[in-house]
Amino acid sequence: GIQVEQSPPDLILQEGANSTLRCNFSDSVNNLQWFHQNPWGQLINLFYIPSGTKQNGRLSATTVATERYSLLYISSSQTTDSGVYFCLSGTYKYIFGTGTRLKVLA
Amino acid sequence: EAQVTQNPRYLITVTGKKLTVTCSQNMNHEYMSWYRQDPGLGLRQIYYSMNVEVTDKGDVPEGYKVSRKEKRNFPLILESPSPNQTSLYFCASSLGTGMSGYTFGSGTRLTVV
Repeated sequence: GIQVEQSPPDLILQEGANSTLRCNFSDSVNNLQWFHQNPWGQLINLFYIPSGTKQNGRLSATTVATERYSLLYISSSQTTDSGVYFCLSGTYKYIFGTGTRLKVLA
Repeated sequence: EAQVTQNPRYLITVTGKKLTVTCSQNMNHEYMSWYRQDPGLGLRQIYYSMNVEVTDKGDVPEGYKVSRKEKRNFPLILESPSPNQTSLYFCASSLGTGMSGYTFGSGTRLTVV
């Protein structure tokens, strides 16, 4: 089945810094979603992005389906961005990526 | 408010005592799914359903049952819980199978002693 790897596994930033999170998937997929799991465990939908680029405030995402990767950009990070970021991919049967744990320091 | 509602939020039970975790969505979504989250293992799919009466196994279905008799409800049944099913469980739903509007419930923390 499809494998989904994320990098880096851990990231520590100072408030205001920018970062790029990466999601690599092993097979061609029709679906890709980015989520943020906040420190209270809630999974928040960030982007549904099977291809192309989307932006929402300080966050943007790009998926290059032909090269099997997606990137999540966080600009001007804030302490509330802390948590774990997951990508989710697949068709019917969905596979979560390994996650990137982000800590933003004040 | 559009949401996925799981109950209970927390549950402590004993080995072998049948339990059901309920999941309900109010968005008329066709696709629903259950996941479990464990330290070091991440989030793994247990079962999914593409519509009423259509269910299929995810990556870790052993020890679980599901049913989809109505579009809005997708209960997770543990017929004989064991300690290795202690985990954080999430239900999710989306419109169709394209992940559009993919929404998670708040989670159910289950402890089996």
